Amino acid sequence: GAVVSQHPSRVICKSGTSVKIECRSLDFQATTMFWYRQFPKQSLMLMATSNEGSKATYEQGVEKDKFLINHASLTLSTLTVTSAHPEDSSFYICSARDGTRLREQYFGPGTRLTVT
Amino acid sequence: GEDVEQSLFLSVREGDSSVINCTYTDSSSTYLYWYKQEPGAGLQLLTYIFSNMDMKQDQRLTVLLNKKDKHLSLRIADTQTGDSAIYFCAETPGGGADGLTFGKGTHLIIQP
Repeated sequence: GAVVSQHPSRVICKSGTSVKIECRSLDFQATTMFWYRQFPKQSLMLMATSNEGSKATYEQGVEKDKFLINHASLTLSTLTVTSAHPEDSSFYICSARDGTRLREQYFGPGTRLTVT
Repeated sequence: GEDVEQSLFLSVREGDSSVINCTYTDSSSTYLYWYKQEPGAGLQLLTYIFSNMDMKQDQRLTVLLNKKDKHLSLRIADTQTGDSAIYFCAETPGGGADGLTFGKGTHLIIQP
């Protein structure tokens, strides 16, 4: 149980284009999903928190117009990197909080984004 | 801001106990977590502890929390080759409702 998937696992895009990453909770309902970013040999950094049906809350320094987050259902959240630049290249990881086990966050396998 | 610190590497012999340490600065931390990340895989929740607890044991895993010193440790008994991974310490102040602040991870290396 408590499986979170992400799609795609890897994506390469050209500078200036937009990329959408999906995060799904497969066997539970996720009232809250989180998006993190991980640079090589660094820890995960929280980007934003999204609650189903409401606007995402962004961490300081994260541009909300650049990283669009939608949490339209209890099992799906999407992160769209708009007008991507090479410095956006990173490992993006989502996590989901089970509405019945509020203290536990389950992580997806991550998406490797490379912007050329 | 909040900070979570871990050693980057720990090398132990197979069959020995591994002790991975973590320190944090946020005095309002309510839940502290240990995650395991194997190569090419996502983070796997190993265990977590509430800040009013000193210890939690789950099979081969023992978590010790010294809230006064803001020190958390994870002990893995009888370390096996399958335990080779990066172990992340994380904390949250918000009763689990907020995102997590992570350390950089400790790479556990198992010697035969």
